[in-house]
Amino acid sequence: NAGVMQNPRHLVRRRGQEARLRCSPMKGHSHVYWYRQLPEEGLKFMVYLQKENIIDESGMPKERFSAEFPKEGPSILRIQQVVRGDSAAYFCASSPLTRGEGETQYFGPGTRLLVL
Amino acid sequence: QKEVEQNSGPLSVPEGAIASLNCTYSDRGSQSFFWYRQYSGKSPELIMFIYSNGDKEDGRFTAQLNKASQYVSLLIRDSQPSDSATYLCAVGNQAGTALIFGKGTTLSVSS
Repeated sequence: NAGVMQNPRHLVRRRGQEARLRCSPMKGHSHVYWYRQLPEEGLKFMVYLQKENIIDESGMPKERFSAEFPKEGPSILRIQQVVRGDSAAYFCASSPLTRGEGETQYFGPGTRLLVL
Repeated sequence: QKEVEQNSGPLSVPEGAIASLNCTYSDRGSQSFFWYRQYSGKSPELIMFIYSNGDKEDGRFTAQLNKASQYVSLLIRDSQPSDSATYLCAVGNQAGTALIFGKGTTLSVSS
């Protein structure tokens, strides 16, 4: 299955710890997007990356959150010093292009982060 | 703040009926529109995308777009209990860098 892969699927952290979420895009896709879904809330865009570049991080909190998509390996969403409000489902999506039908984003299974 | 609005529901229809889901968006410059289905505890699954005014059909699903009214809809014909889920309307931003999602409409199809 060449779908979007995310790991871990579930992550439990204590307040103040770091969380690292990984995403491998679909084969042939070079565009990666991260979204967060809080309980009873809609999906909110966080960041859009291409290989080695952050293109749009307008939805990312200014502090404690960072993202990267290195030349080799998966995209990483990193949350430092987690707080209980970070508990959410984090979804990664990928697309082959950003215009036309190629901009369609396909979602991974998500990482459910629980902060104790 | 660009917004996408959906009626949260729940929308309840009997098996075999047509379910109609609606969505409005605020950014007149938006060019791409998507419907995703999300089962509880799962990730969004793409149902359809539409770029041009009018109707687009795919099996039991029809998406309708009216850019002048800033309105997108999804019709599900011959609704099945397995269609019971939350349906998310998403609109691409003008830069093509993000999808803006509505909060979703919960559909319940009773057998």
